[in-house]
Amino acid sequence: SQQGEEDPQALSIQEGENATMNCSYKTSINNLQWYRQNSGRGLVHLILIRSNEREKHSGRLRVTLDTSKKSSSLLITASRAADTASYFCATAYTGTASKLTFGTGTRLQVTL
Amino acid sequence: DTAVSQTPKYLVTQMGNDKSIKCEQNLGHDTMYWYKQDSKKFLKIMFSYNNKELIINETVPNRFSPKSPDKAHLNLHINSLELGDSAVYFCASSQDGRTGELFFGEGSRLTVL
Repeated sequence: SQQGEEDPQALSIQEGENATMNCSYKTSINNLQWYRQNSGRGLVHLILIRSNEREKHSGRLRVTLDTSKKSSSLLITASRAADTASYFCATAYTGTASKLTFGTGTRLQVTL
Repeated sequence: DTAVSQTPKYLVTQMGNDKSIKCEQNLGHDTMYWYKQDSKKFLKIMFSYNNKELIINETVPNRFSPKSPDKAHLNLHINSLELGDSAVYFCASSQDGRTGELFFGEGSRLTVL
């Protein structure tokens, strides 16, 4: 299976703290994406990082990509209760045009 | 207007029945997908269509048949439903299918009794 693995499976933090989630994958990729899924809702795209990029920012989100280690991390700074959701990484593997493979997800709980 | 809309949101049915889920996108995208999310939140691609043409068909039982009447619509018909088909089915679209951003619908939760 080419499915990515995410770590940790669950994370509980307090509002204002930073949350870091990691994603590992198996083969060469074109890009890696992060998505958020609120309970009972569809997935929402957060950020895309290409294989030739090492770091990308979007608001309170920071994504890094290390292709030598086949891993990525998503950092959410100054977390808010509204950030409570599941976060998924998704990889576009080289040679599998138009197909995204999703990781197992990290459940983030942000408490007041 | 909802960008990717799918109906119904909930579907409860008996084993052996046939059911359909409809999806429409108003984003003008060329590519549409069906994903299945199981009880452990594992999300797996089932099918992908680009301009009404099937381009991805994962190892899905023949009981599942997608149909794309035009590039804005992708429906999923399931025959002879089984208990294991219980899941949330997500429709998604992307601009051109070149592994860019996916836009997801809200999901259709199918429960087979």
